[in-house]
Amino acid sequence: GQQLNQSPQSMFIQEGEDVSMNCTSSSIFNTWLWYKQDPGEGPVLLIALYKAGELTSNGRLTAQFGITRKDSFLNISASIPSDVGIYFCAGNNAGNMLTFGGGTRLMVKP
Amino acid sequence: ETGVTQTPRHLVMGMTNKKSLKCEQHLGHNAMYWYKQSAKKPLELMFVYSLEERVENNSVPSRFSPECPNSSHLFLHLHTLQPEDSALYLCASSHRGGYGYTFGSGTRLTVV
Repeated sequence: GQQLNQSPQSMFIQEGEDVSMNCTSSSIFNTWLWYKQDPGEGPVLLIALYKAGELTSNGRLTAQFGITRKDSFLNISASIPSDVGIYFCAGNNAGNMLTFGGGTRLMVKP
Repeated sequence: ETGVTQTPRHLVMGMTNKKSLKCEQHLGHNAMYWYKQSAKKPLELMFVYSLEERVENNSVPSRFSPECPNSSHLFLHLHTLQPEDSALYLCASSHRGGYGYTFGSGTRLTVV
């Protein structure tokens, strides 16, 4: 079946740093989505991408839909402590269910 | 308030107990999902209901039994669970064929 490889699996951030994570697939998707999950909560949709090459921002977050339709990345600029959590990418083709990546866990450097 | 409400938030149960998890949405969605999230594992899709019909059953053991009485409510009935079933159980809803899943906050289940 379809699989999404998300990297890195985890990373430490220092407040103020920019953060980058990505997701790759063995098959193409027509829609890419990025979710964030805070501790003890369910995932919340951050950004949805609908066209190959599309670049979309939501505040300090920027995501891009890869031109091959097999990848996507998420950047967070000037990170703050509340950015910690697990970020999931997800791909979708019309009428089908979402396929989720394994998640990137963002933690704050002690 | 996410629009999808799950109860209880936390549940501890013995291996011989019977319990149920409840999910409720008032977003006008017509598809509902159960996911299992174990520590350091990807989200695992368990069941999908679309227009109140089960359309996906991802090789889930029979000790998990879903029920969808109407488009707003989804239950997961639990019976004779194992310790490895301890996990966060997430409910989500969407429009049928849609991608904008809305998740609940989950039920943290511990089987002792």
